[in-house]
Amino acid sequence: AQTVTQSQPEMSVQEAETVTLSCTYDTSESNYYLFWYKQPPSRQMILVIRQEAYKQQNATENRFSVNFQKAAKSFSLKISDSQLGDTAMYFCAFEGGSEKLVFGKGTKLTVNP
Amino acid sequence: DTEVTQTPKHLVMGMTNKKSLKCEQHMGHRAMYWYKQKAKKPPELMFVYSYEKLSINESVPSRFSPECPNSSLLNLHLHALQPEDSALYLCASSQGSVAALREQFFGPGTRLTVL
Repeated sequence: AQTVTQSQPEMSVQEAETVTLSCTYDTSESNYYLFWYKQPPSRQMILVIRQEAYKQQNATENRFSVNFQKAAKSFSLKISDSQLGDTAMYFCAFEGGSEKLVFGKGTKLTVNP
Repeated sequence: DTEVTQTPKHLVMGMTNKKSLKCEQHMGHRAMYWYKQKAKKPPELMFVYSYEKLSINESVPSRFSPECPNSSLLNLHLHALQPEDSALYLCASSQGSVAALREQFFGPGTRLTVL
């Protein structure tokens, strides 16, 4: 069974600075997808970024980028130029051959002014 | 239209009540999901419908009964719930069963309180 581990329950960062959220996973599958989802307080969960395991190039979306290390089974999220609106729970998620998303326990990120 | 809508936003019910949660999407997605989320926890998968057929039931108690009347609509019928069933219920959809199309879009959720 796949597992996803987020080792940082809470993090904080100053506005405009850079922060990295960690995620590791365990799987025996060779083809899979990894996601970072953001859930602001009392608001909708939205997809931040997605990475296909067969792609060597790290995904980027504006201020968000990932460091995907397939051999190490690591998938960290870097947020540059942090903004107050980035305050949220961030969930790392894995999807392999089934229709199930496996979520990590989440990291609560607070961006301070 | 790129959103998943859920009604009601909030629901309070007694343990003997029967109620339903509704989820709708008009993105042409063929897979729809129900999740349960407790505070400060990740979503837990309950059910998956693929092409209007139930494809995954994560051993959910029978007091939760899903229904997919058509490809745009997903219901969750609730009966004889327990206080521990109080949670945020999230609906999600994705384009289909092929892995490349399984990026999930989430609705805002229904906050359920069972008294």
